[in-house]
Amino acid sequence: NAGVTQTPKFRVLKTGQSMTLLCAQDMNHEYMYWYRQDPGMGLRLIHYSVGEGTTAKGEVPDGYNVSRLKKQNFLLGLESAAPSQTSVYFCASSISTVLRTTEAFFGQGTRLTVV
Amino acid sequence: RKEVEQDPGPFNVPEGATVAFNCTYSNSASQSFFWYRQDCRKEPKLLMSVYSSGNEDGRFTAQLNRASQYISLLIRDSKLSDSATYLCVVSGGNTPLVFGKGTRLSVIA
Repeated sequence: NAGVTQTPKFRVLKTGQSMTLLCAQDMNHEYMYWYRQDPGMGLRLIHYSVGEGTTAKGEVPDGYNVSRLKKQNFLLGLESAAPSQTSVYFCASSISTVLRTTEAFFGQGTRLTVV
Repeated sequence: RKEVEQDPGPFNVPEGATVAFNCTYSNSASQSFFWYRQDCRKEPKLLMSVYSSGNEDGRFTAQLNRASQYISLLIRDSKLSDSATYLCVVSGGNTPLVFGKGTRLSVIA
């Protein structure tokens, strides 16, 4: 009964390094999301996906890329990390139809520090 | 105007008090509404969905006012364990979930 699993949970990067955050869900959800959360800013949507093979930009997409090659996985990439990308990253998934979206289930978060 | 707006608080209330939070949203096409709870450094978790007819779950009551585009959360008989940040969440159906910045509640003994 894993739900949404994020890997890794903690990471320290040097400026300019690259990394990929992995999100996996076992609930067969169509929608998956990547958010970042900074003090005083709330959860801000980076990218999201409405199904396998599709991705779309959210509120703060710059500096990030995503891929959804398999329905259960949603990857978030940082090509050249910057200190401004120091944050807590949350992945989430949900069911959605044209009429409504159900609740989102979240992973435990990835705490990323860029030095 | 932000899509989803909440009073950030903090709301500092004594145990046993009743406290209410409001949230306004800008997209009149929104179809799905939720309240989430987030504890410090943890992931958000669903507290309750908000239906047009309103809904109640124990000490928690959520209301939706489509005409004025706001939702509310009422907590009765506050407990110390209710201390957390409460997030208002809105979606337009086939649009992604949009979160408010959250309202921080501290229940004091």
